Amino acid sequence: GAVVSQHPSWVICKSGTSVKIECRSLDFQATTMFWYRQFPKQSLMLMATSNEGSKATYEQGVEKDKFLINHASLTLSTLTVTSAHPEDSSFYICSAESGDEQFFGPGTRLTVL
Amino acid sequence: LAKTTQPISMDSYEGQEVNITCSHNNIATNDYITWYQQFPSQGPRFIIQGYKTKVTNEVASLFIPADRKSSTLSLPRVSLSDTAVYYCLVVVSGGFKTIFGAGTRLFVKA
Repeated sequence: GAVVSQHPSWVICKSGTSVKIECRSLDFQATTMFWYRQFPKQSLMLMATSNEGSKATYEQGVEKDKFLINHASLTLSTLTVTSAHPEDSSFYICSAESGDEQFFGPGTRLTVL
Repeated sequence: LAKTTQPISMDSYEGQEVNITCSHNNIATNDYITWYQQFPSQGPRFIIQGYKTKVTNEVASLFIPADRKSSTLSLPRVSLSDTAVYYCLVVVSGGFKTIFGAGTRLFVKA
């Protein structure tokens, strides 16, 4: 099946700094990618839909100025958490669609101190 | 987007067959039923997808009745490594967003 990678797999940062997470489709092109956030013992929550060459579509309650999404190519989408705070600590997961299936990345664990 | 309802948790023993049922009363004509498995600190992994009747692959079977308002994921002879969260999703293919429900936490005991 198609492979989606994320980098880094985990990151620790200080409060107030910005962190960029990359999501790549390794063996297929994806015009649409999705970003999710998952807190411990909870389900995945869709944050935004990333569209190649256009602005991302954010779900209600997700601050677009805080979670910057860039989808500059058909194989790469990035999520930047700006001015991170401890409450942004979470597991961030991206996905990309290939055919009728949606493939998920391995996730990125963000810890903000 | 159709909402799904699953049991919050299930317990089983090694070697047993496990059936997890999901309700999706508002499923639309173009919707497919997809199941994912997620281990802690990993992204979800595709298990199986179906539209109607029965689908079987090397890891599971999916049973969908004629009205498609529910579906049952069947895991034959589970092992300890099948302990995970299982999500039932109703999706439309073609770049449409996927909304996850609460999922079912399956705990397999020795």
